[in-house]
Amino acid sequence: GAGVSQTPSNKVTEKGKYVELRCDPISGHTALYWYRQSLGQGPEFLIYFQGTGAADDSGLPNDRFFAVRPEGSVSTLKIQRTERGDSAVYLCASSPRRDTEAFFGQGTRLTVV
Amino acid sequence: GENVEQHPSTLSVQEGDSAVIKCTYSDSASNYFPWYKQELGKGPQLIIDIRSNVGEKKDQRIAVTLNKTAKHFSLHITETQPEDSAVYFCAASPLEWPGNMLTFGGGTRLMVKP
Repeated sequence: GAGVSQTPSNKVTEKGKYVELRCDPISGHTALYWYRQSLGQGPEFLIYFQGTGAADDSGLPNDRFFAVRPEGSVSTLKIQRTERGDSAVYLCASSPRRDTEAFFGQGTRLTVV
Repeated sequence: GENVEQHPSTLSVQEGDSAVIKCTYSDSASNYFPWYKQELGKGPQLIIDIRSNVGEKKDQRIAVTLNKTAKHFSLHITETQPEDSAVYFCAASPLEWPGNMLTFGGGTRLMVKP
């Protein structure tokens, strides 16, 4: 079956621009997570959705980052006024329930130039 | 918050040998410990996980052990093969409300020489 799908796979943007990253979770998975992975490091938690609501956004680094999941399926991570330090791989994961294993997508590599 | 330390950062073994990767965690509330394998350009893939009510779990050539008292857990890969070469991440989570937010270790780059 289809896994977690993230688009685009690569995104290059200029400093100061706005970007949107999309995540299509595994069908039927109610829990959705966004992580950020810098080069040579482990993923770091950003935000967690249970259904349509953000149950925990404690990992978002600042108010330039925002995520939505309006219908409880697809999620979009939005970054305003991008900075070079935002360059990283953004990973999305989904789970059938909040207390089960998470399955990751292939990630979106964001490069801010 | 939780802090997960992982070592070694790189590990080189000969094909057929065993590989062991170790992690420690700080938060005694953590009770779920997955291991992920990440190949170049791909997302992390879950290979095995363990919950705190179990001390050891095995799946073919892969095993994980957990010592709750010492707050450490380990991944053991036996009879390594070249296709085992990848970066491995351990993680920890309290696996309670609101959800399974993982704290990852820094990763171990495993190289299996044929």
